[in-house]
Amino acid sequence: DQQVKQNSPSLSVQEGRISILNCDYTNSMFDYFLWYKKYPAEGPTFLISISSIKDKNEDGRFTVFLNKSAKHLSLHIVPSQPGDSAVYFCAASEYSGGYQKVTFGTGTKLQVIP
Amino acid sequence: DAGVIQSPRHEVTEMGQEVTLRCKPISGHNSLFWYRQTMMRGLELLIYFNNNVPIDDSGMPEDRFSAKMPNASFSTLKIQPSEPRDSAVYFCASSPTGDRLWRANVLTFGAGSRLTVL
Repeated sequence: DQQVKQNSPSLSVQEGRISILNCDYTNSMFDYFLWYKKYPAEGPTFLISISSIKDKNEDGRFTVFLNKSAKHLSLHIVPSQPGDSAVYFCAASEYSGGYQKVTFGTGTKLQVIP
Repeated sequence: DAGVIQSPRHEVTEMGQEVTLRCKPISGHNSLFWYRQTMMRGLELLIYFNNNVPIDDSGMPEDRFSAKMPNASFSTLKIQPSEPRDSAVYFCASSPTGDRLWRANVLTFGAGSRLTVL
């Protein structure tokens, strides 16, 4: 079963506008959430994270929001730039089996149109 | 640091053949992960090593898959015999620690090995 779900496989946004990527999870034991960005032919790279004790974390143009009651998090990119075009993976972590186990979603492909 | 190094970048093989994927983690990172990326399931964790010891192999799909980490700077993922459904991109990732610290969640990935089994 998919514990981390990204229901939108793709998203297109005009340059300068806001991009909102969504993610839902089912496991209430997750205590840390992350977003990774992936360009073609490269590995995913860490973008931004948030602890479960917070509801917002901001880093420049990127903001992650966490709604624990709804088991939902989102990534906001403002303003969107063509270089942001990539696949974005939502990830969630729990302490399981003696280590922080990171579970990834299926990814959302963002296209920022110039 | 050169980052996480994976080889080969691309592998095309025929069903039934043995495939070996290789990974060199970042020096000093004591946690190593093998993930597989498919369209349907995204990034799936196959196996996790801590200090060269396999800790969690619950994601290894079947006995045809095996992984080793003979030392801190090298790991292999082997598929024998390979099948067409094994076609995917396989990623190796490492992180500084496996315990309950935030930085344990920040994985550094290699560029991946794209496997095609005909």
